[in-house]
Amino acid sequence: QSVLTQPPSVSEAPRQRVTISCSGSSSNIGNNAVNWYQQLPGKAPKLLIYYDDLLPSGVSDRFSGSKSGTSASLAISGLQSEDEADYYCAAWDDRLNGWVFGGGTKLTVL
Amino acid sequence: EVQLVESGGGLVQPGGSLRLSCAASGFTFSSYSMNWVRQAPGKGLEWVSYISSSSSTIYYADSVKGRFTISRDNAKNSLYLQMNSLRAEDTAVYYCAREGDSGAEYRNNWFDPWGQGTLVTVSS
Repeated sequence: QSVLTQPPSVSEAPRQRVTISCSGSSSNIGNNAVNWYQQLPGKAPKLLIYYDDLLPSGVSDRFSGSKSGTSASLAISGLQSEDEADYYCAAWDDRLNGWVFGGGTKLTVL
Repeated sequence: EVQLVESGGGLVQPGGSLRLSCAASGFTFSSYSMNWVRQAPGKGLEWVSYISSSSSTIYYADSVKGRFTISRDNAKNSLYLQMNSLRAEDTAVYYCAREGDSGAEYRNNWFDPWGQGTLVTVSS
């Protein structure tokens, strides 16, 4: 059971928009920044969003992040087949004194 | 180019030991905190351990505390993970990951980049 809660899977048609939620608590998301990682099949994870809503250089602006209270969301607009991947949220947990991840969400582009 | 390359994975029997290495290049290694993150086959990501740039601060996940030891050699631009008393549930791909911003507090930092990973299999 992951400390951060994500839906196991989401699916949407090409060119549409999808959101992935990440729910935590006051000891993690509620008090620290949230980061999102994309893991393409067979590859290492890659930073997608950092510090709640910032985009790393080179990442498409079709990706965006937001946070409110103890929850965060990743939005992907203009879905493309190459967006099919696993997506993970992560945050530092002050109570556990360590990083915690969501269980991951598998995105399928129909 | 910033690069992290893990090595040292392999097959080990339960109760055995293994030492992973992560060779860093393309950045000032001694300025950045580092982490180990693992992923069991078909499962999600699990943070394992953190070490600050000077090795003064170290954290472990409860699942490995007392069995794993993280260390670094800034002169050799290398990060290590000594794994003892290995269990079947430690079977995973182990990634080293650099913190994203050497000037930011560790609680509000991120992992970037990641290495390609090294597979550790614990089985008899």
